[in-house]
Amino acid sequence: TQLLEQSPQFLSIQEGENLTVYCNSSSVFSSLQWYRQEPGEGPVLLVTVVTGGEVKKLKRLTFQFGDARKDSSLHITAAQPGDTGLYLCAGSGGAQKLVFGQGTRLTINP
Amino acid sequence: KAGVTQTPRYLIKTRGQQVTLSCSPISGHRSVSWYQQTPGQGLQFLFEYFSETQRNKGNFPGRFSGRQFSNSRSEMNVSTLELGDSALYLCASSLGPLGYGYTFGSGTRLTVV
Repeated sequence: TQLLEQSPQFLSIQEGENLTVYCNSSSVFSSLQWYRQEPGEGPVLLVTVVTGGEVKKLKRLTFQFGDARKDSSLHITAAQPGDTGLYLCAGSGGAQKLVFGQGTRLTINP
Repeated sequence: KAGVTQTPRYLIKTRGQQVTLSCSPISGHRSVSWYQQTPGQGLQFLFEYFSETQRNKGNFPGRFSGRQFSNSRSEMNVSTLELGDSALYLCASSLGPLGYGYTFGSGTRLTVV
C-alpha cells in the first residue's frame, strides 16, 4: 500500500515568514501533485511534478520533487494571509490511483 | 468552461437509507474519480471510471457503488447508510487515466443521522 506522510500537520506562522511543508513516502511515484483546499470546497491543483529533482515555481511557492521520486516539498516565501488553507500532496503510482497525504493545515496570521 | 459540478451540495439522510450523488465532469474529460474526505482519514479513494468502465476501486465495502454514463457523467450510490458515512464526497475529472492533475468539484456534504 502506497502511503504519503505530510509534515507538519498544522502550521501557524506570522505574515512575512517563510515555511516548508514536506511530503514523504517509501514508495516511488510516477508523478506528484500539490493541491490547496479552502473550507467547504474541493482541492485545487497547484502543480504537478513528474521528473526526479524537478523544481517548479508558482509566484512565492516553490515545489520540489525528490531525486528518487519518493518525496516532495513545498516552500512558501513571505507568507501572506491569503495562503491560509489545507495543502495536500498526492502521488500517482502504478495502480493508477491518486494517493493523498493527510494534509497540512496552514494558518498565516496578519 | 464549466468546472466539475456535483449535486446536491448538502444532504442529510437517516441511518439505513440509501443515497445517490451526481457528478458532471468538465466537458471532454472522460475520467471521473470519487473520493471520501473525513477529518480523521483525509481523502480516501473510492473508485475511478473511464469511458463507462470502472478501472480502479478503493477499499470500501460493497455498499459503495458507482457508475458512469456515456456522456461521462457519474453517479455514486451508498446503500444502508451508517453514521460513519458522514463525509465530504468529492468527484474529480481528468482528460484521461489519472496521474497528471485532477479538477475537483466542490463536493457533496453528506450527514447521516
